[in-house]
Amino acid sequence: NAGVTQTPKFRVLKTGQSMTLLCAQDMNHEYMYWYRQDPGMGLRLIHYSVGEGTTAKGEVPDGYNVSRLKKQNFLLGLESAAPSQTSVYFCASTLAGAIYNEQFFGPGTRLTVL
Amino acid sequence: AQKVTQAQTEISVVEKEDVTLDCVYETRDTTYYLFWYKQPPSGELVFLIRRNSFDEQNEISGRYSWNFQKSTSSFNFTITASQVVDSAVYFCALSSNNAGNMLTFGGGTRLMVKP
Repeated sequence: NAGVTQTPKFRVLKTGQSMTLLCAQDMNHEYMYWYRQDPGMGLRLIHYSVGEGTTAKGEVPDGYNVSRLKKQNFLLGLESAAPSQTSVYFCASTLAGAIYNEQFFGPGTRLTVL
Repeated sequence: AQKVTQAQTEISVVEKEDVTLDCVYETRDTTYYLFWYKQPPSGELVFLIRRNSFDEQNEISGRYSWNFQKSTSSFNFTITASQVVDSAVYFCALSSNNAGNMLTFGGGTRLMVKP
């Protein structure tokens, strides 16, 4: 099993450009999450999904959109990138929504917006 | 709202020293779970341990031990006889029903173990 994979690993964008980050998991997990990691701030939740076709906002959703058309995939989109979106993005998944379930994380995508 | 505070942003120790990473949390829930994750220099996050709010027994796993004290809302992590391979960023996190089963992370503690 590959676990949670993320594409791409690195990306450099210019202000105003758009891009999509892809997250895929092969563990048949229901819940999927997108986080951003900034120095000293830990991981902050951007958006999450509790199942195919459903998405919800997290703590810092502005400037991002998501889609979960297939259970195994969770896409994060930046419509018009801004320098404030320079960050490391992590995708995670978990079997279900029970509070005891640990989340499994992807390797991260390092995004720089110039 | 729930909150996790890791007051130590960076800790530097010499190999074989013991080190404790502090974690203080806030939640209004009576049922919740606490987690520790490790992020080595390679960047991925690795799950280390989970503890539920009704189990205050300390846990030991090899050189790692965890001290959960509800009275002080703390879930501290101790590494005994630290090794260079322990160098990483460590995150404490909290999950509870009232927070929609979402994980709230602390800001992380960067541990540097020098040879």
